[in-house]
Amino acid sequence: KNQVEQSPQSLIILEGKNCTLQCNYTVSPFSNLRWYKQDTGRGPVSLTIMTFSENTKSNGRYTATLDADTKQSSLHITASQLSDSASYICVVSRFSGGYQKVTFGTGTKLQVIP
Amino acid sequence: SQTIHQWPATLVQPVGSPLSLECTVEGTSNPNLYWYRQAAGRGLQLLFYSVGIGQISSEVPQNLSASRPQDRQFILSSKKLLLSDSGFYLCASQTSGDYTDTQYFGPGTRLTVL
Repeated sequence: KNQVEQSPQSLIILEGKNCTLQCNYTVSPFSNLRWYKQDTGRGPVSLTIMTFSENTKSNGRYTATLDADTKQSSLHITASQLSDSASYICVVSRFSGGYQKVTFGTGTKLQVIP
Repeated sequence: SQTIHQWPATLVQPVGSPLSLECTVEGTSNPNLYWYRQAAGRGLQLLFYSVGIGQISSEVPQNLSASRPQDRQFILSSKKLLLSDSGFYLCASQTSGDYTDTQYFGPGTRLTVL
């Protein structure tokens, strides 16, 4: 069964601190993995995308890693800011029949406090 | 990049009433289009996808339907809403044929069925 599990479900950190979010998946065959940031009441916005051959990708203070052998990914946020408060969703895709079949994780809700 | 428009932003409807949510896309041609629903505390669930005008595929059985009357217009409908239809509905667009391309999400429609 194609599943994406994220941990922790929620996280509270102090402004300026770093944090790491985890994503484990069983989606097969693997096509790519994306991390999205979703502000409350808004649509998700893509942060990073990694294919099978990529094991790290950065976007500003966000760094994603991928271990395709263990089927794990992480999103590391450096020097957190209040605006980082959001849900972070891991999405794993498999390409089938002309379009991407995506499986979404339930997300990690991050709250950055002053 | 693509821009996805959705309306209305919020909607409160009684059980048994009809529904029509609209999504339009700018910045691309012949996109793959998707309708997702996000229930509170749950991951996004794919409802429908479309690879072209008039081509609709459904991922889950339900009382909702979708139509694509124009290349960059995607409509989600129901003849009679159920309480379980409440949720956050997101439209997404992706450049067709490029499996690494990001799905761009609209701002979403918050539907409450009373």
